[in-house]
Amino acid sequence: DTGVSQDPRHKITKRGQNVTFRCDPISEHNRLYWYRQTLGQGPEFLTYFQNEAQLEKSRLLSDRFSAERPKGSFSTLEIQRTEQGDSAMYLCASSSGGPRSYNEQFFGPGTRLTVL
Amino acid sequence: AQSVTQPDIHITVSEGASLELRCNYSYGATPYLFWYVQSPGQGLQLLLKYFSGDTLVQGIKGFEAEFKRSQSSFNLRKPSVHWSDAAEYFCAVGGANNLFFGTGTRLTVIP
Repeated sequence: DTGVSQDPRHKITKRGQNVTFRCDPISEHNRLYWYRQTLGQGPEFLTYFQNEAQLEKSRLLSDRFSAERPKGSFSTLEIQRTEQGDSAMYLCASSSGGPRSYNEQFFGPGTRLTVL
Repeated sequence: AQSVTQPDIHITVSEGASLELRCNYSYGATPYLFWYVQSPGQGLQLLLKYFSGDTLVQGIKGFEAEFKRSQSSFNLRKPSVHWSDAAEYFCAVGGANNLFFGTGTRLTVIP
């Protein structure tokens, strides 16, 4: 069990460019979550998947954001036409999703996005 | 509406002193409660969790937390702080799906 991994760890881009982040959850976990964390704040929920199905999206997830989990394993989060306000740490988490998991989530190291 | 309040933005303690970090929550149903710790530039590590049963829960690194339903609180404690405990601490509340986090308390430890 290698834990949740995220790639890249850091991304610097220019305003207007598209960026894509990848998350690999713990292998036996069927739930995967994306959060955004800005400086001095706690993580804010963006979206989550149960296997390949995207079951919930926050109002924070504007139409420039899209997330996928095509085979129920890894997930990607794409931001189109990035804005400076998108600069944040993007965190991925996974959980087993079983009845006794109680939504216990395990987090990856995050991807730090800087939009210039 | 769900929310978590961590009233202390920054706490400074001396190494070896006791610690209590406060957390109050608002949640419409029986909550699942968590404390996470985050070192600079890193992800979140789970310290402890409460689902049901005994209201005093033990976690890793010598931390414990007590759930008080009447006060809607889930305060984190440690009897003797170590320099390596310096970090940001987040309280979170959730149900079956997503988690709601507080704004965090930054802990500074003085040698």
